[in-house]
Formats: sequence, structure tokens, C-alpha cells
Amino acid sequence: QLQLQESGPGLVKPSETLSLTCTVSGGSISSSSYYWGWIRQPPGKGLEWIGSIYYSGNTYYNPSLKSRVTISVDTSKNQFSLRLSSVTAAETAVYYCASLKGGWADYWGQGTLVTVSS
Amino acid sequence: IVLTQSPGTLSLSPGERATLSCRASQTVSSSYLAWYQQKPGQAPRLIIYDASSRATGIPDRISGSGSGTDFTLTISRLEPEDFAVYYCQQYGSSPWTFGQGTNVEIK
Repeated sequence: QLQLQESGPGLVKPSETLSLTCTVSGGSISSSSYYWGWIRQPPGKGLEWIGSIYYSGNTYYNPSLKSRVTISVDTSKNQFSLRLSSVTAAETAVYYCASLKGGWADYWGQGTLVTVSS
Repeated sequence: IVLTQSPGTLSLSPGERATLSCRASQTVSSSYLAWYQQKPGQAPRLIIYDASSRATGIPDRISGSGSGTDFTLTISRLEPEDFAVYYCQQYGSSPWTFGQGTNVEIK
């Protein structure tokens, strides 16, 4: 069974870049069966898909964020990462990483709260 | 594709039947629709994919149905562990989108 764990700073200043890493255990990130994705949830609100990546490096981003998002994969460390530039306070949220099989997220990390504040 | 879930809140008692709706602004291709359950302080949990396929470990009192623009999640007899927020998600068209959620609360 896959396990995913997010890591990264819990506080980011406005206009700076948010960087998170997801470490995958219990399986290989190079598996052809999965995409790997990031989803966020502002406090008390709903879910928003940020983007996803295949082990080969092919990426798919939410067009609303595309100009500011980079998702990358490090197969040697069994990790994938999120970078979101020029963040604002409205992007304070719990950020989840997940494994995506066919488009649905079957395994999720526990989530990490990132607060955007000076 | 915008997904609209109704009702926003469903107040029911254990043992009752819950019917949750997810309506799409456009046809969801190939019934590429999933449902998730989320409890406070926890990550969402996949319960249904491809509109009607149960995820691993999901009991058969929970079922999904629908196609096109109208989808339904049904819980035939609510158990205490079923009280939670439920989200639908479509993955037939980019960007993948979620509904705003239905809160199933104890009456």
C-alpha cells in the first residue's frame, strides 16, 4: 500500500515561492500505473486540483495556476515536488499530495498547512 | 466543468438512506467521476471511481450511479462512521474539478 508524506515550510511570505516535497513509500514513483498530483484545500473550503506529473516528466497543470506552477519528479529519491511562485494570502491552504490512478486520487498524504503571511 | 453538489447539508439519523447529487455543467466523458469522503482534520478518502466502482474496502451499502451530467452517491443505511463531507470530482476534462461538497450530519 502506498504511503505519501508532504514536507516543506509551513509559512511563506506573500510574493515568494511555495515549495513542497512529497515522499512516496510502499511503491515506486516510476510505476507506469500512477500519476502523482497536488491538491489544495483552503481552511473550511473545498478542494482544488493544482496539477499532476507522470514519472516520465509529463505534466498537467490547472490552467488557472499554470503560469506559476512547476511540478517535478525525482525518481532516485522516490519524491515529487511542487513549486508555486508569487503566492498570495488567498493561497493559504492545506496542500495534499496524492497518487492518481486514471484520474482519481486513491492514496493521499496527510496534508500540510501552508500559511502565506508576512 | 463546474460540478454542483446538492444539498449543501443533509441532516439524517443513523439507519436512514442518504442520497447525494452531483450535477455537471457539461457532459462528463466516459463517466469519469469520483466521490470522496472527508472527516474533520483528515485527508479525503476515495470511495467511488468511474461513477459506480467502489474503492478497496468500501462497503456495499455505499453506491454510485449516473452518467452524462447527473451523478448520485447513495448510502443505503447510514452508519455512525458515514457522517462526513462528501466531494465529487470529474477527471474527464482538464482541468479536473471538484464539487463544493455535501455535509452529511447527524440529525
